[in-house]
Amino acid sequence: GAVVSQHPSWVICKSGTSVKIECRSLDFQATTMFWYRQFPKQSLMLMATSNEGSKATYEQGVEKDKFLINHASLTLSTLTVTSAHPEDSSFYICSARERQGPNEKLFFGSGTQLSVL
Amino acid sequence: GENVEQHPSTLSVQEGDSAVIKCTYSDSASNYFPWYKQELGKRPQLIIDIRSNVGEKKDQRIAVTLNKTAKHFSLHITETQPEDSAVYFCAAHRPSNYQLIWGAGTKLIIKP
Repeated sequence: GAVVSQHPSWVICKSGTSVKIECRSLDFQATTMFWYRQFPKQSLMLMATSNEGSKATYEQGVEKDKFLINHASLTLSTLTVTSAHPEDSSFYICSARERQGPNEKLFFGSGTQLSVL
Repeated sequence: GENVEQHPSTLSVQEGDSAVIKCTYSDSASNYFPWYKQELGKRPQLIIDIRSNVGEKKDQRIAVTLNKTAKHFSLHITETQPEDSAVYFCAAHRPSNYQLIWGAGTKLIIKP
């Protein structure tokens, strides 16, 4: 199946610094990518929908100035956590939508565990 | 908005027995229902999916059923094995904006 590469897989940063997470679709073009965060033992919570060439759509309660999303090409979307704080520590996962005719599927990156000290 | 309820939150079955996880959705326009398996510390992996024009789909030991009238769908795992232990998520596709609405997850424990 399609592959979505997400980097880094694990990052530790100091409070107040910014962290960038990359999500790449390796063998297909993804016009839409989604960013989720997942707290331990909980479900995935959609943060934002990223469309290539346009501004991301953020879910209610997600600060767009804190979680900057850039979808500059059909194969790359980035999430930047700005001025990170300990409460931003979480497992962040991206997914990319592959569309084949009338069918479409979501493929997930491997996730990024962010720990803010 | 769309809501997906998933039950049970935890399911413990004896190895070799069957496991059933149920989900209900609220938006009648939902037309695609995937199931994901997530092992500890790993990404969710699609294991089976069903579209609204189909009532049942089977892939070896895994099957999914869909009742559009009642707006619920279920995952069935037969002859469970230790490697089936994981958290399973159901989801419903919101066609208006291509989002997936997720259930809360079911932790499946296979007892040897």
